[in-house]
Amino acid sequence: EAGVTQFPSHSVIEKGQTVTLRCDPISGHDNLYWYRRVMGKEIKFLLHFVKESKQDESGMPNNRFLAERTGGTYSTLKVQPAELEDSGVYFCASSSKTAATNEKLFFGSGTQLSVL
Amino acid sequence: QQQVKQSPQSLIVQKGGISIINCAYENTAFDYFPWYQQFPGKGPALLIAIRPDVSEKKEGRFTISFNKSAKQFSLHIMDSQPGDSATYFCAASGWDSNYQLIWGAGTKLIIKP
Repeated sequence: EAGVTQFPSHSVIEKGQTVTLRCDPISGHDNLYWYRRVMGKEIKFLLHFVKESKQDESGMPNNRFLAERTGGTYSTLKVQPAELEDSGVYFCASSSKTAATNEKLFFGSGTQLSVL
Repeated sequence: QQQVKQSPQSLIVQKGGISIINCAYENTAFDYFPWYQQFPGKGPALLIAIRPDVSEKKEGRFTISFNKSAKQFSLHIMDSQPGDSATYFCAASGWDSNYQLIWGAGTKLIIKP
């Protein structure tokens, strides 16, 4: 069974440009999460999809970030325009049950985003 | 109140020794405390988790100790091996965080052969 796949693994862009990150969850997992880790800091929750609906987007930093999950399969996270402070590792995770059941999260390998 | 404080930031242990990583939290509504292990170039993977109704949980060489009154929990790795070298994250969640995990900053563990 394929795990959670994230693309690209690395992205280097200039301030003001747009970047789109993609996550393919484990097949059949309705729950999809986006997280971000800035170098040396804690992993921070960004948002949670249940199928195609945004269940919780309380962690999204600002309106420069747009997440979508059309059809309830893969998800994209777009940053437009990117700022220096957006640099970090963006992780996607999926699970078969909701967060309230403390279901094990399966993480992708992350996208290392560097904004110069 | 939504923070989880993790220490130390980095840890070097000799092969065969005991590795201990500590976490503290403030929010008494937290009721789920997992530890995740992350190898370089990979995403975090669930290692072991505990709920506050027990004070200790053991899985192989890995043990979580939980102190509800002190609002602290720790990961102990017995007989540490070079293959245990990784970054370890503690986390916590509960109704007050909308069941979303609140993460510690991570501990980079190096086991010297």
